[in-house]
Amino acid sequence: DAGVIQSPRHEVTEMGQEVTLRCKPISGHNSLFWYRQTMMRGLELLIYFNNNVPIDDSGMPEDRFSAKMPNASFSTLKIQPSEPRDSAVYFCASSPQGHEQYFGPGTRLTVT
Amino acid sequence: AQSVAQPEDQVNVAEGNPLTVKCTYSVSGNPYLFWYVQYPNRGLQFLLKYITGDNLVKGSYGFEAEFNKSQTSFHLKKPSALVSDSALYFCAVREVYNAGNNRKLIWGLGTSLAVNP
Repeated sequence: DAGVIQSPRHEVTEMGQEVTLRCKPISGHNSLFWYRQTMMRGLELLIYFNNNVPIDDSGMPEDRFSAKMPNASFSTLKIQPSEPRDSAVYFCASSPQGHEQYFGPGTRLTVT
Repeated sequence: AQSVAQPEDQVNVAEGNPLTVKCTYSVSGNPYLFWYVQYPNRGLQFLLKYITGDNLVKGSYGFEAEFNKSQTSFHLKKPSALVSDSALYFCAVREVYNAGNNRKLIWGLGTSLAVNP
């Protein structure tokens, strides 16, 4: 298995632009998680899905952030409009039966 | 409220010496406990987990961890450290009693391990 796949690996954009991050979980995993990591705040859970259904989005910072999981093999995290304080590394992780999570390589987002 | 504490921001150890990275947790019910490692510019990698059974669990790269219910601890250990073990280590807990649809992990802030040659 190729593991969790995230794209793009790096994204540099200007403030106010829309950013879409993509994730392909490991086949057969029924839970998917979006995290954000910064030096200041550490690792933060943004939202997670079970069987493609959003279960807990309490970590989504504000309405500028949205996430979807249209099917079991694809999820997106969208930021619109982006702001410099959104600069971080965004990780997607998937999990079988809710035990250990397997992380993707991350997307490093820089908003100027 | 559920919480995880990693009391040390950084641990320094000489190569060949044993290492310990500490983790304590607070949950209402029974815990599922996890350790992850993060190398620079990489995603987190699963090391080991405690679900039930033997309190001493063994994981990847020679790491092990001991679940201590009375002390609510789950310290990560390795008998002989390698320079290549230098990385950021995260402890996480999932509360079991209300698991149901709950797949959420509560994460510690991480401990930076530096193994000196």
